[in-house]
Amino acid sequence: KQEVTQIPAALSVPEGENLVLNCSFTDSAIYNLQWFRQDPGKGLTSLLLIQSSQREQTSGRLNASLDKSSGRSTLYIAASQPGDSATYLCAVKAGSNFGNEKLTFGTGTRLTIIP
Amino acid sequence: NAGVTQTPKFRILKIGQSMTLQCTQDMNHNYMYWYRQDPGMGLKLIYYSVGAGITDKGEVPNGYNVSRSTTEDFPLRLELAAPSQTSVYFCASSYLESGNTIYFGEGSWLTVV
Repeated sequence: KQEVTQIPAALSVPEGENLVLNCSFTDSAIYNLQWFRQDPGKGLTSLLLIQSSQREQTSGRLNASLDKSSGRSTLYIAASQPGDSATYLCAVKAGSNFGNEKLTFGTGTRLTIIP
Repeated sequence: NAGVTQTPKFRILKIGQSMTLQCTQDMNHNYMYWYRQDPGMGLKLIYYSVGAGITDKGEVPNGYNVSRSTTEDFPLRLELAAPSQTSVYFCASSYLESGNTIYFGEGSWLTVV
C-alpha cells in the first residue's frame, strides 16, 4: 500500500529565505505527483503537477522536483513571502487511469513565513 | 468562476441523525469525489463518480451514501451519524484526461455530538 510522508510537519522561516519542502513515497510505480496548498478553513489548491516521466515543474517562485527511483519529491519556494504561509500537501497518483481515485495524500507541512 | 461549491460550511449533528452534504461543480467535469480530512491524517477518499449514474466506493465508504443524477451534482448522505464521522469533508472534481488537475471545494465542517 502506498504511503506518503511529509517531514517536517511544521516549518517556520524568516521572510525572504528560500526553502524546501519534502515529500517521500514508498511505491515508486506512480503516474504523477501533485503539490497542493491549503489555507486555513479552505480547500486544496493545486500548485504543480509532475508526470512520472518528468524531473521537475516550475511555476513562478515554485519549483517541484521528482525522483521516482528514490521515492522523493521536493517543493522549492524562492524568496518566501508572508503570503506563502499555508499547509502544503503532496499527493501521488497510482496507475494510468484517467481519474484521481488512486490519489494518496501526505499529511502536509504547515509553513509559516515570519515577517 | 464558482468551481466546486459545497454546502453547508458548518453543521452540528446529534448521534443517529442523518444529513446530506451538497456539492455542485460548474466545470463540466466527469469525475467527482468526496474526501474526509481528519487532524494529522491525509485525505481519505469516501466515494467517487466517473459520470452521471456511476458511483464507486473509495477507501472509507462505511456510513455514507452517494448519488450522481447529473454531471454537476454529487451529494453525500450520512445515515445514522456517529462521532467517528466528525471531520472536514471535501468535494472535488476533475476532467477526463490523463494527468488531470483536481479541483476542491472549500470544505464542510461536521461535528457529531
